[in-house]
Amino acid sequence: QSALTQPASVSGSPGQSITISCTGISSDGGSYKLVSWYQQHPGKAPKLMIYEGSKWPSGVSNRFSGSKSGNTASLTISGLQAEDEADYFCFSYAGSNTWVFGGGTKLTVL
Amino acid sequence: QVQLVQSGAEVKKPGASVKVSCKASGYRFTSYYIHWVRQAPGQGLEWMGWIDPNSGGTNYAQNFQGWVTMTRDTSISTAYMELRSDDTAVYYCAREEDNSSLQYWGQGTLVTVSS
Repeated sequence: QSALTQPASVSGSPGQSITISCTGISSDGGSYKLVSWYQQHPGKAPKLMIYEGSKWPSGVSNRFSGSKSGNTASLTISGLQAEDEADYFCFSYAGSNTWVFGGGTKLTVL
Repeated sequence: QVQLVQSGAEVKKPGASVKVSCKASGYRFTSYYIHWVRQAPGQGLEWMGWIDPNSGGTNYAQNFQGWVTMTRDTSISTAYMELRSDDTAVYYCAREEDNSSLQYWGQGTLVTVSS
């Protein structure tokens, strides 16, 4: 399974919005619902931020939002805060009961 | 509350195998798949495979087929991942939710390969 494609890095200033793309999502209708996004701070386990493409787990800020266009899923973070600085990974079903992560994106808050 | 607690850091010699455990608590162990994820130093997350604790059925990523074995012991609500690899990495277990996301994660186990 090939990793999903994410930009290696993105940056933004506090209060701004940024978007991280994840390309290579299966084009069949059901697969977008199988996309989730994770935040990982250094030395920590990943944290679920978005599931089923655009839904928030309990306790996650609605500054994080998910969307899809074609075979690309996207994570948008609005009102950037210093604590948002982390690595972000998308995760999706890849067929045949297998799953795949994106390569990861390092977010820098300037 | 749901918890996944992994075994401690390991140092292994090249060519040897290592077995990492993931003890679940706070829910019915057999009701949710457990996934394993690898992260090499400074690298991204790599999906390794899953195990169905109910049936013991497994599915492995192509890159790990022949190198990894996932098992479980339902009597102690613990999943295991045994790997014959010479890569230093952190290994995580995570529970797959009904919505197919990985909401609960273990704390990670660092496996260091050193002669």
